[in-house]
Amino acid sequence: DVKVTQSSRYLVKRTGEKVFLECVQDMDHENMFWYRQDPGLGLRLIYFSYDVKMKEKGDIPEGYSVSREKKERFSLILESASTNQTSMYLCASSLFQGTTDTQYFGPGTRLTVL
Amino acid sequence: KQEVTQIPAALSVPEGENLVLNCSFTDSAIYNLQWFRQDPGKGLTSLLLIQSSQREQTSGRLNASLDKSSGRSTLYIAASQPGDSATYLCAAEEGGSNYKLTFGKGTLLTVNP
Repeated sequence: DVKVTQSSRYLVKRTGEKVFLECVQDMDHENMFWYRQDPGLGLRLIYFSYDVKMKEKGDIPEGYSVSREKKERFSLILESASTNQTSMYLCASSLFQGTTDTQYFGPGTRLTVL
Repeated sequence: KQEVTQIPAALSVPEGENLVLNCSFTDSAIYNLQWFRQDPGKGLTSLLLIQSSQREQTSGRLNASLDKSSGRSTLYIAASQPGDSATYLCAAEEGGSNYKLTFGKGTLLTVNP
């Protein structure tokens, strides 16, 4: 079974802190994604990566950056956390383009910024 | 820009009932349509994926259909059980998007014993 793990289930940070959210997948997937999920807004794509060191902006990249130094690991970075970044963050991975494989999701990290 | 809508936002049914969840999308140029399940406070689990060339997919008590021309998909759940209680999300994958999914906001299903 595909396994996508996220470094923390719950995280509490203060405004202005630099925050790292880590995601690891064990199925040699090329694509990895970061979403945030908010009540009434649904899931929105922040960034995705289709290869090591490659990244593309999603729908809401402002205030975030990402890093993919190894194929299995994709990090989401909040350079200076703000209260409006309080949310559920979900990581996902999938095989390379051209297949019909689905995205596999991690359990999520609920981030609270005080 | 693709928009995905799910109706109803919430649904409550007695155990054993058959039910249908609806999903509509505005841009018919999709690569596939996917249905996911999300339990409270958890990640998403893939249920069914329908390629753009297909009309339906089945897995156990679940059947998903796709009508690209009308921009609609339905998820049919037969003989519902309390364990089916969850939020169900549909997502459209844009053609040539490098796997970008646009999600609906979900339908919260409650199956009462």
